[in-house]
Amino acid sequence: QQQVKQSPQSLIVQKGGISIINCAYENTAFDYFPWYQQFPGKGPALLIAIRPDVSEKKEGRFTISFNKSAKQFSLHIMDSQPGDSATYFCAAKGSGGNEKLTFGTGTRLTIIP
Amino acid sequence: ETGVTQTPRHLVMGMTNKKSLKCEQHLGHNAMYWYKQSAKKPLELMFVYSLEERVENNSVPSRFSPECPNSSHLFLHLHTLQPEDSALYLCASSQEWGAYGYTFGSGTRLTVV
Repeated sequence: QQQVKQSPQSLIVQKGGISIINCAYENTAFDYFPWYQQFPGKGPALLIAIRPDVSEKKEGRFTISFNKSAKQFSLHIMDSQPGDSATYFCAAKGSGGNEKLTFGTGTRLTIIP
Repeated sequence: ETGVTQTPRHLVMGMTNKKSLKCEQHLGHNAMYWYKQSAKKPLELMFVYSLEERVENNSVPSRFSPECPNSSHLFLHLHTLQPEDSALYLCASSQEWGAYGYTFGSGTRLTVV
């Protein structure tokens, strides 16, 4: 049972554009929602994270928008650059004794000149 | 060396072989994880160790056997694997079990022939 659904599977954006990746979750016991970035040949690396009591968090060109009532959250990459080309994973961390991270299936982002 | 180091980077093994994957971290983290990454699937949590004790075992077949001799090292012992076990095996660590920020290694690409 997949508890975090991620879309799209792949995304092509022009340089300078906005990249948007969406995730939806089912379990309301999650207490943190991180995003990870993975380059080919490397493991995922933490990019940015948000708590469910916050509607938006921004770090540089990366912003997480969080909609608690809809159980959805999204990653926005402003002014997308070729160096942002990577696979992005959303995740949700459990709480109350079930502390594991549940990951989405990933979005392969390609930024074209 | 900083971060999480995994060896070997690539491994090809027959179904009757026995091999081990090694993970090492010098970040002073107290929790370590094994994940399986397959194409178009979410990262699958296999095992979690917190302070050298196993706290999570996600219904993983017994042909995978973890070992955590100390807080810096984690092993995954493999025996009589199946071709469907071919995947990227990622090791990660975090400050504590329950943190959302993981540091991943670059993984071991395993091929079972």
